[in-house]
Amino acid sequence: DTAVSQTPKYLVTQMGNDKSIKCEQNLGHDTMYWYKQDSKKFLKIMFSYNNKELIINETVPNRFSPKSPDKAHLNLHINSLELGDSAVYFCASSQEQGGSSPLHFGNGTRLTVT
Amino acid sequence: RKEVEQDPGPFNVPEGATVAFNCTYSNSASQSFFWYRQDCRKEPKLLMSVYSSGNEDGRFTAQLNRASQYISLLIRDSKLSDSATYLCVVNQNYGGATNKLIFGTGTLLAVQP
Repeated sequence: DTAVSQTPKYLVTQMGNDKSIKCEQNLGHDTMYWYKQDSKKFLKIMFSYNNKELIINETVPNRFSPKSPDKAHLNLHINSLELGDSAVYFCASSQEQGGSSPLHFGNGTRLTVT
Repeated sequence: RKEVEQDPGPFNVPEGATVAFNCTYSNSASQSFFWYRQDCRKEPKLLMSVYSSGNEDGRFTAQLNRASQYISLLIRDSKLSDSATYLCVVNQNYGGATNKLIFGTGTLLAVQP
């Protein structure tokens, strides 16, 4: 019974391609996130959604477009992939927004752009 | 000054040792504090929340010092399985729904047999 699940686990693609990562949580949480962890292991928030509404967009290039069809799902579509997009992308959810409750992470999507 | 700052380590300690990590944060209005653990090539997992009065969970003790704006994590009787990166997490509290959790860069702990 995985609480936060994301697919795929690994994604290898060429520059210029478009790819999507899917995320689902069964915790009943209202808030979901995308975080990026770069090669230096620094974990940085990209987006947060609360009940399908975009709350935080952390000045991410508009090649990245999140979509939340319902509060249990938050997908991430990336257009025109660049070498610098290579990283591990983590989906997460929390019971409350605003950083007051802890995050539950998915197991990550390791994206490699060649 | 970084929003959340940690000593990256590595901390190399023998089994059974006691080890302590500190973390400083810049936003004096921060209200929520957590320690996460991340194993190599895995997702971060919540280790414990940090409460104002300090709290303990088995071999792990977390402390908060609001005046000096730091939190600490103490691990007693280290086990090999404690080897991981420990992430300090603080909420950036400027009011409202756009508050978010900020992660430190992590402290690497390696427990040696």
